[in-house]
Amino acid sequence: EVQLVESGGVVVQPGGTLRLSCGASGFTFAHYQMHWVRQAPGKGLEWVSLISGDGGLTHYIDSVRGRFTISRDNSKNSLYLQMDSLRTEDTGFYYCARDLSGSIDYWGQGTLVTVSS
Amino acid sequence: DAVMTQSPLSLPVTLGQPASISCRSSQSLVHSDGYTHLNWFQQRPGQSPRRLIYKVSDRDSGVPDRFSGSGSGTDFTLKISRVEAEDVGVYYCMQGTFWPYTFGQGTKLEIK
Repeated sequence: EVQLVESGGVVVQPGGTLRLSCGASGFTFAHYQMHWVRQAPGKGLEWVSLISGDGGLTHYIDSVRGRFTISRDNSKNSLYLQMDSLRTEDTGFYYCARDLSGSIDYWGQGTLVTVSS
Repeated sequence: DAVMTQSPLSLPVTLGQPASISCRSSQSLVHSDGYTHLNWFQQRPGQSPRRLIYKVSDRDSGVPDRFSGSGSGTDFTLKISRVEAEDVGVYYCMQGTFWPYTFGQGTKLEIK
């Protein structure tokens, strides 16, 4: 059974730093591209970032490029999102999700990031 | 970026009645691989999203057959033949043809 479990969400001040983690199981992690998708409270879904299976290719939404860094450790079946220079508009649930050829087929339960003073 | 526009944004439906959600893309979603990467997701209250439909009309395992997807090019539709109480939630379309992947605004389905 595919499982994605996020962790690391906390309350942080504007300008602060946070690192999210996602542990994967039930599939060969290195074979899949992985996403981070976020959702502000009461709002819709917003794709944030993608990383290729070997970690060599990454994409970011414009609003986080230069502040967020996606990475992975295939030996640990883990996905990460390093979040720097956090803004209040970065508040929301962050979901780890698996890519499958133009789709997202599995989602984690999400971890809540709150950026507030 | 491909802009995805859903309608309606709110959808009150009587139990047992059909429901239909429209999703339009700002550009054709036909990929160079020949597939159209249009997906539908359901997000029940307090839960993470769950994929229902991929490649316009392919239904995921375990998804009831009352859910169906159709469309082509830029215009797509999710239909529920007979709405049940468990269908309450927000439905999103998402295109996976272009980077970045983009979502529609979401359609909130509620029971009348």
